[in-house]
Amino acid sequence: EDQVTQSPEALRLQEGESSSLNCSYTVSGLRGLFWYRQDPGKGPEFLFTLYSAGEEKEKERLKATLTKKESFLHITAPKPEDSATYLCAVPHQTGANNLFFGTGTRLTVIP
Amino acid sequence: NAGVTQTPKFQVLKTGQSMTLQCAQDMNHEYMSWYRQDPGMGLRLIHYSVGAGITDQGEVPNGYNVSRSTTEDFPLRLLSAAPSQTSVYFCASSPYSGNFPTVGAFFGQGTRLTVV
Repeated sequence: EDQVTQSPEALRLQEGESSSLNCSYTVSGLRGLFWYRQDPGKGPEFLFTLYSAGEEKEKERLKATLTKKESFLHITAPKPEDSATYLCAVPHQTGANNLFFGTGTRLTVIP
Repeated sequence: NAGVTQTPKFQVLKTGQSMTLQCAQDMNHEYMSWYRQDPGMGLRLIHYSVGAGITDQGEVPNGYNVSRSTTEDFPLRLLSAAPSQTSVYFCASSPYSGNFPTVGAFFGQGTRLTVV
């Protein structure tokens, strides 16, 4: 059975204090790992797709990396506007375009 | 470009009532899906569609019906609302990309449903 586990559940950072969020997964045959950002009261917003171990992708202060068992979302010098819940997901067993989500990490960046 | 539009944004129902959550996308995506999001749980797949006239069940389909008569619209029907269906519902769409999707799904803003 596919599993996606995110840690920590919540993270508070001072502005400028870099850190990493973790997503560990157990799937049979990885067909991609997705990172999303979700703001309160909004739908998830797509950030990255990673396919193979060693792959990295960057967007502004965010960098996502992938190993055979987990993915990290590194946040460098975060700003208050980076505060959000970050979700990771893998393709669902019903089809690659459907997603199986972790429960997310709620990030708060304090000015 | 509107993307994925969901209506209503908020709804309160009484137990046993029925209603339809609307979802429309203007990106000509083949794939559309419905998820529910509950506290402490990840988004869970309810139903999905790979194209007009084709629908299938996800993880938690009981109590919900869907249809897909056009590429643009994918309504979700609650047949007889129960308090366990209190949740936030998200509709999503994506282009079909075979077994290795290159982009993630686009999500609507959600419908917050309370069943009393």
